[in-house]
Amino acid sequence: DVKVTQSSRYLVKRTGEKVFLECVQDMDHENMFWYRQDPGLGLRLIYFSYDVKMKEKGDIPEGYSVSREKKERFSLILESASTNQTSMYLCASNVGTHYGYTFGSGTRLTVV
Amino acid sequence: AQKVTQAQTEISVVEKEDVTLDCVYETRDTTYYLFWYKQPPSGELVFLIRRNSFDEQNEISGRYSWNFQKSTSSFNFTITASQVVDSAVYFCALSEDSNYQLIWGAGTKLIIKP
Repeated sequence: DVKVTQSSRYLVKRTGEKVFLECVQDMDHENMFWYRQDPGLGLRLIYFSYDVKMKEKGDIPEGYSVSREKKERFSLILESASTNQTSMYLCASNVGTHYGYTFGSGTRLTVV
Repeated sequence: AQKVTQAQTEISVVEKEDVTLDCVYETRDTTYYLFWYKQPPSGELVFLIRRNSFDEQNEISGRYSWNFQKSTSSFNFTITASQVVDSAVYFCALSEDSNYQLIWGAGTKLIIKP
């Protein structure tokens, strides 16, 4: 069964902490994405990557960075977590542009 | 300007009723792709269908069917004989040939009452 796996389902972190959200896919997909989902704001793209070591900013990259050292792994980094980064974070991948996404189960991050 | 409009914020029906979720899109590209995703209460978004702009044939998959009409820029989703397990938020999305980003609708929350 093909999968996108996010390392944590729930996380609670303190303001100012460095936070790593990990995402791994086993489908040999080229593209990987990080979204955040907030009530009333829908799905917003943070960053995406179309190849190893490549990254592109999405709509809301401020306060985030990403890393893709291997094809199957795409990490989202909150350099200094803030309370306004409390959200549901969704990782996705697809085989190429304009193809359907496979999503992970999400990480609900709470910054206190 | 909103490119993908899901005007129905929430729909509530009784089990076994048919229900249609509306999606209207806006694009200047001649080549584009339309998608539907389901997000059940568990939270994981599930891909349902992808349709390209050159294929206006309706699609049926079990109780699910999709009606793509370029003339009205709509890609509507119908669930026949709804079941409680269909309760979820459903998202319509657009991928334009000129744009790498997927453009999401706001979602429609579907509640199926037993």
